[in-house]
Amino acid sequence: DQQVKQNSPSLSVQEGRISILNCDYTNSMFDYFLWYKKYPAEGPTFLISISSIKDKNEDGRFTVFLNKSAKHLSLHIVPSQPGDSAVYFCAASGTGRRALTFGSGTRLQVQP
Amino acid sequence: GAGVSQSPSNKVTEKGKDVELRCDPISGHTALYWYRQSLGQGLEFLIYFQGNSAPDKSGLPSDRFSAERTGGSVSTLTIQRTQQEDSAVYLCASSLRSGGGTDTQYFGPGTRLTVL
Repeated sequence: DQQVKQNSPSLSVQEGRISILNCDYTNSMFDYFLWYKKYPAEGPTFLISISSIKDKNEDGRFTVFLNKSAKHLSLHIVPSQPGDSAVYFCAASGTGRRALTFGSGTRLQVQP
Repeated sequence: GAGVSQSPSNKVTEKGKDVELRCDPISGHTALYWYRQSLGQGLEFLIYFQGNSAPDKSGLPSDRFSAERTGGSVSTLTIQRTQQEDSAVYLCASSLRSGGGTDTQYFGPGTRLTVL
């Protein structure tokens, strides 16, 4: 049973436009959410996170939105750049659970 | 400073053989995690070490998998009698302290294991 789901395996956007990556979760005990970016042959790199007490967190071009009632979060990248092309993983953790539960990833391709 | 390092970067083995994968966490990080990523899948938690506490082994898929962490630093993940379904990228991560989800995990580049 996948507790964190990324239903879009891939996404293609034009350089300069907005990229929106979506993630859904089922476990109501999750209270902390993260996005990681992964380039080929490298480990995932932390990008941005959000606590369940917030509904938005912004860091430069990256903004994560959390809708607790819908158990949904999204990552917005504005403006998108070719260097953003990577696989993006959504991850979640809950109180007392130190390990992260990951989604299956969305491959983002930003076209020049 | 140096990030998390893992060795080997690639390992090809025959079914039934044992393999050892190594992880060197970031110096000073007390928490260490092992995950694996099978083809087309997300990262799957395997085991977690925190200081001198007993490890959380709840993610290990079978008793063929074991891990140890010596001296609170380097960790070795051992897979005995490897099977083809063990083929995956094995990722190690470390974090500064055990703070639940608020403690950022830093990942190594992974070891790609192929079992023929």
